[in-house]
Amino acid sequence: NAGVTQTPKFRILKIGQSMTLQCTQDMNHNYMYWYRQDPGMGLKLIYYSVGAGITDKGEVPNGYNVSRSTTEDFPLRLELAAPSQTSVYFCASSYRLGSYEQYFGPGTRLTVT
Amino acid sequence: DAKTTQPNSMESNEEEPVHLPCNHSTISGTDYIHWYRQLPSQGPEYVIHGLTSNVNNRMASLAIAEDRKSSTLILHRATLRDAAVYYCIPHPSNAGGTSYGKLTFGQGTILTVHP
Repeated sequence: NAGVTQTPKFRILKIGQSMTLQCTQDMNHNYMYWYRQDPGMGLKLIYYSVGAGITDKGEVPNGYNVSRSTTEDFPLRLELAAPSQTSVYFCASSYRLGSYEQYFGPGTRLTVT
Repeated sequence: DAKTTQPNSMESNEEEPVHLPCNHSTISGTDYIHWYRQLPSQGPEYVIHGLTSNVNNRMASLAIAEDRKSSTLILHRATLRDAAVYYCIPHPSNAGGTSYGKLTFGQGTILTVHP
C-alpha cells in the first residue's frame, strides 16, 4: 500500500491565484482530513469527510473548499490565495471517524507571495 | 476541548530511556489520551493511546496518572530516529461529542536525541 499520497510536494502561488491540493489514499478508509501547519505550530483541522459526498468544516475552513466524489480522493481547493495561507498542508485518513490511528501524508509546502 | 501542557523541549542520549510528560488537568472522564509524533519534514504518526490503564506497544509505553490529569510517554531506549515533536492529544471516545474525530494538536515537545 502507498498509504496517503499528496501532490504537489511544493508550490509557490501568487496572491489571488487558485490551486488544488491533491490527496489520495489506498486503504479504503471512509474518513479523511485536511490539516494545515504554520511554522513552529501544531496542526489545525481545515475540513474533514466521513465518506463520499459528505464533508464538514473543521477549525479553520475560511478560504478553502473541499469535495469528496470517491472514497480514495479528497482534494483541497484554494480559490483566491492569500499570504496567510502560506503553510504546510497535511492530508490524513482513518478507518472510522475519531479512529485512534490517523494516517498522514507527507505534506504539501505552499508559499503565497 | 481539554487543554494540554507539555515542555517545549527535552533532550536525551541515545540508548537511554526518555519520559515525556503531559498535563491535561481538564480532561473529560471519557477522553482517551493519544500520542502522536512528527519526524522532521514528515506528517505526524500515531504512537499510542490509552484511557486509564498503562499501555504498551512496540513503539512506546504510556503511563496514566490515577486521577488522569497527567500522563507520561516512555521511550525505553531512545534512538536517533526518535528525534521528533511529540504531541499529547486528549480525544473523546464517544461519537456524539462535537469534537469527536477532530485531533487538536498543540505545540508539542521537541525531543532531541544525542549520539
